[in-house]
Amino acid sequence: DIQMTQSPSSLSASIGDRVTITCRASQDINNYLAWFQQKPGKAPRSLIYAASTLQSGIPSRFSGSGSGTDFTLTISSLQPDDFATYYCQQYNLFPYTFGQGTKLEIK
Amino acid sequence: QVQLVQSGAEVKMPGASVKVSCETSGYTFTSYAVNWVRQAPGQGLEWMGWISTSTGDTNYAQKLRGRVTMTTDTSSSKAYMELRGLRSDDTAVYFCARGAWIQRWVIIDYWGQGTLVSVSS
Repeated sequence: DIQMTQSPSSLSASIGDRVTITCRASQDINNYLAWFQQKPGKAPRSLIYAASTLQSGIPSRFSGSGSGTDFTLTISSLQPDDFATYYCQQYNLFPYTFGQGTKLEIK
Repeated sequence: QVQLVQSGAEVKMPGASVKVSCETSGYTFTSYAVNWVRQAPGQGLEWMGWISTSTGDTNYAQKLRGRVTMTTDTSSSKAYMELRGLRSDDTAVYFCARGAWIQRWVIIDYWGQGTLVSVSS
């Protein structure tokens, strides 16, 4: 199975900060990488697919980049609604696998 | 609007089976796949498998093979996930999630609200 490793596991930041979360795949997944946001007690929300394509309705402050094994999710200017846990997921090969999550907290 | 509405919480004894339903609306059911993802308490997301609603083809996570069955009812636009031989470590929230086809790849775009399955004696 492809292992997805996110860093950091947790992160404290302030409103207005620029934040970057990294996701590394254990083997080349081309750009078949998605990002999700999850708040406590809620279903995940799909943010990005194909490493950099925003899902419908996702604010432009979210962006993704990368290809191969190294990927990043960037939030350009943190808003109060952005404090949540973020997961990456590869869908290049079965079984699809998720990273362990990055919890973004208010500083 | 696209909606996936799941069945209610379940409490099961070890060794029992559970069947979770996912009723979809707002789109053409057979044009999208359905994924199932679970989340144990305080843990991350775990992909369980995927079913093609047009062909019935499935792909299950190796660790669940033999215990899980995913099916669909195209007449009612519903998907189902049955898990047998329940163990305490199957206690989790189970999510269905729509899978959009991008060439031969399936990307998750919309999620159900989740169904808590508790396994306890």
